[in-house]
Amino acid sequence: QKEVEQDPGPLSVPEGAIVSLNCTYSNSAFQYFMWYRQYSRKGPELLMYTYSSGNKEDGRFTAQVDKSSKYISLFIRDSQPSDSATYLCAMSYYTGNQFYFGTGTSLTVIP
Amino acid sequence: DTAVSQTPKYLVTQMGNDKSIKCEQNLGHDTMYWYKQDSKKFLKIMFSYNNKELIINETVPNRFSPKSPDKAHLNLHINSLELGDSAVYFCASSHPRTTGETQYFGPGTRLLVL
Repeated sequence: QKEVEQDPGPLSVPEGAIVSLNCTYSNSAFQYFMWYRQYSRKGPELLMYTYSSGNKEDGRFTAQVDKSSKYISLFIRDSQPSDSATYLCAMSYYTGNQFYFGTGTSLTVIP
Repeated sequence: DTAVSQTPKYLVTQMGNDKSIKCEQNLGHDTMYWYKQDSKKFLKIMFSYNNKELIINETVPNRFSPKSPDKAHLNLHINSLELGDSAVYFCASSHPRTTGETQYFGPGTRLLVL
């Protein structure tokens, strides 16, 4: 079993929809939770970073962490065609530790 | 003003050859990484260096050898290339004390072994 599980999709939504992306994990020792966005033929770029449980909001993006369920989510409100990309969740045990990535979810937002 | 750069961007080579990929970061970070991303987009850590010292060495064939001449550079040398080495290789850097868990990724090197 992989450390981090993520539904690869693909996910296709109309413009303006709310998108929900999710990851589950098996090791309760993870403390740092990240979401990266990767456009085609580009490197991943950090979208959101959360420590421990709770919610974090940044513009149209909201990250949620539920450590009791070992479940993290990324919500995208008012989705735009420019949001079309692969979204990767990542986790680490402590600062400076390696990242464990999910397999990524491919998202297409249709105009 | 590229933060993390890699060369080459594309690499097509024959089985059995030896090749190198170079990575440079101008962010002043002290930790650098190499990741391999397979065709299914799964991103897996290969190596991590902190201040030129190897701190993570995942189960990677010893045909892969990282070299860090200084804090700003982490190169990856691959001997006797095999078909299964075809993937996208990403370099990344971070400075946990200042950037927290943010890792900055390079644009990737697409390696195709024929």
